[in-house]
Amino acid sequence: KAGVTQTPRYLIKTRGQQVTLSCSPISGHRSVSWYQQTPGQGLQFLFEYFSETQRNKGNFPGRFSGRQFSNSRSEMNVSTLELGDSALYLCASSLQVGRETQYFGPGTRLLVL
Amino acid sequence: AQSVTQLDSQVPVFEEAPVELRCNYSSSVSVYLFWYVQYPNQGLQLLLKYLSGSTLVKGINGFEAEFNKSQTSFHLRKPSVHISDTAEYFCAVGSGGSNYKLTFGKGTLLTVNP
Repeated sequence: KAGVTQTPRYLIKTRGQQVTLSCSPISGHRSVSWYQQTPGQGLQFLFEYFSETQRNKGNFPGRFSGRQFSNSRSEMNVSTLELGDSALYLCASSLQVGRETQYFGPGTRLLVL
Repeated sequence: AQSVTQLDSQVPVFEEAPVELRCNYSSSVSVYLFWYVQYPNQGLQLLLKYLSGSTLVKGINGFEAEFNKSQTSFHLRKPSVHISDTAEYFCAVGSGGSNYKLTFGKGTLLTVNP
């Protein structure tokens, strides 16, 4: 079974631009979570989607948004990029919400100049 | 709210030596505990998890962890490490009921030297 895939793997943007990252979960998984990883803050939870609905949200500004499609694929969008948004963005999928194990993709490394 | 503390940011060891990576958590409700490993330029890979039952959990690559409820700890151990174990290790706690989410520690960089 194929793992979680994320595209693109690397991205360079400039301040003020917006970006969209994509995540395809493991087949059959209906929950997708997004995390931001930076050297200073570590891994921080952005949001979780299940059945096209946002179930939970972390403490990030409204510039960070996401959505999930009927095939469980998910996208996250960051508008008006700031230098501090440079990070590795990780997507994780699980069968259901709750205590299910989350399986991570390789991440998208975003550099904001 | 839950939190996770990984007591050591870096742990250097020699090859074939034993290692313990420490993790303490705080949560007001029942928790599920995980250890993940991250190799350079990769995502996180699950090493092992504790959901319920036996407090000693065995995972992949010879790792094991013990859940200690009274000390709110979930330390990761391996009796003999290899060069290939060099990576960053993350402890995570999952809780929150209907608002379930994973909270991660800051990570421990394990460096295995020859």
